[in-house]
Amino acid sequence: DAKTTQPTSMDCAEGRAANLPCNHSTISGNEYVYWYRQIHSQGPQYIIHGLKNNETNEMASLIITEDRKSSTLILPHATLRDTAVYYCIVRNMDSNYQLIWGAGTKLIIKP
Amino acid sequence: DGGITQSPKYLFRKEGQNVTLSCEQNLNHDAMYWYRQDPGQGLRLIYYSQIVNDFQKGDIAEGYSVSREKKESFPLTVTSAQKNPTAFYLCATYKSAGGNEQFFGPGTRLTVL
Repeated sequence: DAKTTQPTSMDCAEGRAANLPCNHSTISGNEYVYWYRQIHSQGPQYIIHGLKNNETNEMASLIITEDRKSSTLILPHATLRDTAVYYCIVRNMDSNYQLIWGAGTKLIIKP
Repeated sequence: DGGITQSPKYLFRKEGQNVTLSCEQNLNHDAMYWYRQDPGQGLRLIYYSQIVNDFQKGDIAEGYSVSREKKESFPLTVTSAQKNPTAFYLCATYKSAGGNEQFFGPGTRLTVL
């Protein structure tokens, strides 16, 4: 079973920041939080990952709470092309690189 | 261009037939994976291979078989023993042990009639 809980769907206006929450209350010390997204009928795309510090790259920012039980992916200026299913995944680095995928959040960017 | 190729994009087969899905990569990545995705669901791991001539079962390996004779290729055979083969199949790679970013191919949508 997936170790994360995400809302089934969210809307966001184009140009605004999209904030996608994820709960991972059973995360352990050696587990990282990963985010991927999947545009309809395509292969998933890696976005970002982190352990305990906040992370930022050209696509997004990842904010992890101090107790590491939840995180938020932020797309700072959402565009219509950001409409996709976003997956939050907790990954044990000792697990032969396996990712346990939940159903994700369907993010719809509206004009 | 470097990447992962899966062919064909759409595949139709009659019930009871075996079918082989192709996955080729020119990224020089060591590890290769096969996932299955059903509508509205996340990905489930079928098989993975970390080196040539070696592979391990994932969570839903029953009814599937793989081979890894070359680093670049990791074909998946869906056998007649797989009860519900209709699904979207995704091939993926990791650069090496401990790699952070998993790269995915475009997927093959298999429909069994």
